[in-house]
Amino acid sequence: AQSVTQPDIHITVSEGASLELRCNYSYGATPYLFWYVQSPGQGLQLLLKYFSGDTLVQGIKGFEAEFKRSQSSFNLRKPSVHWSDAAEYFCAVGVRGYQKVTFGTGTKLQVIP
Amino acid sequence: DAGVTQSPTHLIKTRGQQVTLRCSPKSGHDTVSWYQQALGQGPQFIFQYYEEEERQRGNFPDRFSGHQFPNYSSELNVNALLLGDSALYLCASSLGSRGSGDEQFFGPGTRLTVL
Repeated sequence: AQSVTQPDIHITVSEGASLELRCNYSYGATPYLFWYVQSPGQGLQLLLKYFSGDTLVQGIKGFEAEFKRSQSSFNLRKPSVHWSDAAEYFCAVGVRGYQKVTFGTGTKLQVIP
Repeated sequence: DAGVTQSPTHLIKTRGQQVTLRCSPKSGHDTVSWYQQALGQGPQFIFQYYEEEERQRGNFPDRFSGHQFPNYSSELNVNALLLGDSALYLCASSLGSRGSGDEQFFGPGTRLTVL
């Protein structure tokens, strides 16, 4: 069964600083990979997804993620964080041909002035 | 386009009661998935409905059941509520032809509190 690990429960960055959120997955074949963002009281919004092809994926709001098969990682990055990026971020993995999507436990991002 | 809508927004029940949560998918979507998100946790997959049938199920007991209607809307039913069922219940809709490769659009959720 697939699984996702987000090792950082909480991260604090200064506005304008760069950001990297870590995600490691466990699955034998090439998975589908996703990053979602959840603001307080809101549902989940898809930031970006990886299915195949180019391992550097561009998403919305200036986010990008890189799939590294050798490290089983799919880390999320942003070069310059804005105060509005404060939210909880979830990495998720899906399996080709199956419906279930497995989420990590999330990383809560705090942005300080 | 209203996106995915869920009702009610909040719900308070007592142990042993039954609850029904409702979801209307995004226009054009035919597949509805339900997730349970406990406080401080990521969403956990409950089940998915496609063509009015349960297509896949996560590790949840039979107390959790669902239904999909011909208009693709869906209900989640939970019987014999336990304190541990308190959570945010998220509905997600997608086009069902590509399995988990489809982008899922999430609703705002229903916050269920069991006392």
